[in-house]
This record gives sequence, structure tokens and C-alpha cells, in this order.
Amino acid sequence: AQSVSQHNHHVILSEAASLELGCNYSYGGTVNLFWYVQYPGQHLQLLLKYFSGDPLVKGIKGFEAEFIKSKFSFNLRKPSVQWSDTAEYFCAVNAKAAGNKLTFGGGTRVLVKP
Amino acid sequence: DAGVIQSPRHEVTEMGQEVTLRCKPISGHNSLFWYRQTMMRGLELLIYFNNNVPIDDSGMPEDRFSAKMPNASFSTLKIQPSEPRDSAVYFCASSATRGTGALETQYFGPGTRLLVL
Repeated sequence: AQSVSQHNHHVILSEAASLELGCNYSYGGTVNLFWYVQYPGQHLQLLLKYFSGDPLVKGIKGFEAEFIKSKFSFNLRKPSVQWSDTAEYFCAVNAKAAGNKLTFGGGTRVLVKP
Repeated sequence: DAGVIQSPRHEVTEMGQEVTLRCKPISGHNSLFWYRQTMMRGLELLIYFNNNVPIDDSGMPEDRFSAKMPNASFSTLKIQPSEPRDSAVYFCASSATRGTGALETQYFGPGTRLLVL
């Protein structure tokens, strides 16, 4: 069974600091990878996704993620955060053999101090 | 284009009552997912449908929960009888599936906040 680990449960940082959120998954086959963001009181929105091609994926709002197959990782990065990036971030993985099922990590709550 | 529509947005009910949550997926999407989000357990997949057929309901907590998708544009999640531990935010999501069965992006609705007293 596929599983997703987000090792940081909470991250607190100041505006303009750089952000990196870790995501590791446990599945050896072909995967599709996603990062979703949930702003306070809102629903999940897609930040970026990786299906194939360039392993460095750029998403909305200045976020990017790098797929490193050998490390089973898909870490999310943003060079300079803003207060409005305060949210919960979810990594999700779909193993193609699992069909349409998407497995989410436990989420990382990010608080950006103004 | 309208996104995933869920109703009601908020529901407060008493223990033992029946609760029905509704979802309208994005037009043209053929996969629909029900998730539950709580502080303790995070985001859990309850059930998903492909072409109106339930594919995986292993996440449904117990027999009190049931889900239906009578047509491509409507799904319900029912809890009968409801209990306080069912209090959570319930999200519906939809996606389009390619012919190979590979997953496309899931788009989430605004959620239903359920409080069972």
C-alpha cells in the first residue's frame, strides 16, 4: 500500500524566509505527485503537480517542487514566503497501479509571522 | 466554469439524527471522491466512484455511513444515525480519468462542516 510522510507537522517562519517542506512516499512504481494548500477555513487547492517530464515543477504563487525518484521525495519550496502563505500544505501521491486513489500526507501547518 | 458544489456548507444536528451531504462534481468529470477531515486523523478518503460506480469504500468508517451516486452529476453521503464523533469537515472532490485509468488532478469542493451535538 502506498503511504505518504510529511515529517514537519508545524513550521513557523518570518516573512521573506525560505520555505522547504519535505514529502516522502513509499511506492516503487510510477507515481503522480501533488501538493495542495488549504488556507484557513477554506478547501484544498492545487499548488502544483508532477506527472512526467522535468522533475522540477513550478506551481502557482511562486512555489516549486522537485521530484527525486531515487529518494522517493517531492519536496516543496518557496524562496521567500509572505504572510499570506500561512496555510496547511498537503503532499499527495497517486500510484498508477492504485488507479484513481490519492493518498495524502498528514499535512504541514505553516505560520508566517509578519 | 463552476467548481465542485457541496451543500449544505454547515450542518448542526443532534446525535441520532440522519444527515445527508450532497455533492455536484465538475461537469465532465467521471470520478468523485468523499473525504473527511478532522484535527485528529487529518484527511481521510472515505469512498470514491468512477463512472457512478463505487470503486473503493474501504475508508467508510462503519455501516452508519453510506454513499450513492445515482448519476454523473450528483452524489450523496449519508450518516444514519449520526454521532458526535462524526463531527468533521466533509469534502467532495472530482476528477477526470483518462482511458488508461490514470489519475488526473482532483478538484475539491468547499466542504460541509458537520457538528453533531
